[in-house]
Amino acid sequence: QKEVEQDPGPLSVPEGAIVSLNCTYSNSAFQYFMWYRQYSRKGPELLMYTYSSGNKEDGRFTAQVDKSSKYISLFIRDSQPSDSATYLCAMPSIGRTGNQFYFGTGTSLTVIP
Amino acid sequence: EAGVAQSPRYKIIEKRQSVAFWCNPISGHATLYWYQQILGQGPKLLIQFQNNGVVDDSQLPKDRFSAERLKGVDSTLKIQPAKLEDSAVYLCASSLAVGGSPLHFGNGTRLTVT
Repeated sequence: QKEVEQDPGPLSVPEGAIVSLNCTYSNSAFQYFMWYRQYSRKGPELLMYTYSSGNKEDGRFTAQVDKSSKYISLFIRDSQPSDSATYLCAMPSIGRTGNQFYFGTGTSLTVIP
Repeated sequence: EAGVAQSPRYKIIEKRQSVAFWCNPISGHATLYWYQQILGQGPKLLIQFQNNGVVDDSQLPKDRFSAERLKGVDSTLKIQPAKLEDSAVYLCASSLAVGGSPLHFGNGTRLTVT
């Protein structure tokens, strides 16, 4: 079983739709959860960073963590064509000599004007 | 705050040739990572440095790949000789050496081996 599973999509939605992106994980020791956005021909950009369970909101983006189910989500409200990108979830295993990161495979999102 | 700098952005070489990538992390970030990303996949760790020491190179194909981080700042990743399957994006990332600190990525080097 992979440490982190993510539906690769692709996902195509009309402008203004609510988008839900999800990841599941197997290691109950994960405490920090990240979402990265990657535009074509660019490096991943940190979008949301959360600790433990609960919700975190930043503008149109909401990150949700359910540690009991080992399930994290990223919601995008009022989606825009500029949101078209690949979204990666990531979570670190904490170590004394630095963190080891586990990534999902990424979900490709297209928002159609 | 300046981001992670990588060069070159693109490189095309023939198989069996050598290539080198350079990375300058965010100032103060002790941990530096090199990842390989193939289209449609998440980043795969090649090597992780803490300051100028190697923390994890278990997935680095050591017969052809090498990396160094002199003085605990800049890093170079080298491939010699390159194979067709090395065509990918090579991403450098850095983070603070503090539990749970997120990764900050550069824009990567897109390598095409023909």
